[in-house]
Amino acid sequence: GEDVEQSLFLSVREGDSSVINCTYTDSSSTYLYWYKQEPGAGLQLLTYIFSNMDMKQDQRLTVLLNKKDKHLSLRIADTQTGDSAIYFCAESRMIKAAGNKLTFGGGTRVLVKP
Amino acid sequence: DTAVSQTPKYLVTQMGNDKSIKCEQNLGHDTMYWYKQDSKKFLKIMFSYNNKELIINETVPNRFSPKSPDKAHLNLHINSLELGDSAVYFCASSQEQGFEKLFFGSGTQLSVL
Repeated sequence: GEDVEQSLFLSVREGDSSVINCTYTDSSSTYLYWYKQEPGAGLQLLTYIFSNMDMKQDQRLTVLLNKKDKHLSLRIADTQTGDSAIYFCAESRMIKAAGNKLTFGGGTRVLVKP
Repeated sequence: DTAVSQTPKYLVTQMGNDKSIKCEQNLGHDTMYWYKQDSKKFLKIMFSYNNKELIINETVPNRFSPKSPDKAHLNLHINSLELGDSAVYFCASSQEQGFEKLFFGSGTQLSVL
C-alpha cells in the first residue's frame, strides 16, 4: 500500500506462532483491520481493533496496536496449514465529503509448513 | 447464496476491446466498491458508490466507467483495454461508514493480450 507497509513473506512451522507486522500513517483512523485472502478468493475481514485499544484477543488471534509508533501486529497462535494465505492490514482514512476510505497494505504471504 | 457475486470470473481479451464486469450484492448494503489487485497483490481502491451516488473516484483513467443502476449493483465498463489493465478486479460492499467491514466478491481475473 502507499503508506501502509507490511513485510512481504512469512514462513512458519505448523503449531508455532506467527506474527505479522504493519506500519501505518494516519493517526486519525478509528479502526484498524486485518483481512485474509485465500488463493483464488476475495478478502475477508479477519479481525479489527478500535484505535483507543492497545490489544484485542479473539481465539487464536491477538492484535496489538502501538499508536505512538503507528504499529499494528497480528499474532496467530498454534498456526495451522489452513492459515496459509495473504494477510492485509488496513487503515481507514476520512475523505472529506466522501466518508471513509480503506487503505490496504501490500499484504504478507504466510506459508505454513507441516 | 453468494453475498457479493461478480461475473465473469475470468476475462481474456485483446488490446483495444471494450469489456464489462458485473457485480451484485444481496446484503442490502448501501456502499459498493471496485478494487484493483495487481500481480504483486497490491490492492487499490478505484471507485466507491453510496446509494447509487459516486463518492470516491481515485486516479483512474477515463476509460474506466462505473455504473450503478441501483444500490445492489455496481458494474465496471472498460473502454480501449490496454496491457496494463491486466489484473484481478474485486467488487465489494459494506453497510456502515466508519466501520469498514467489507464483503468481497471472488474477483474477476482480466487478461489483456
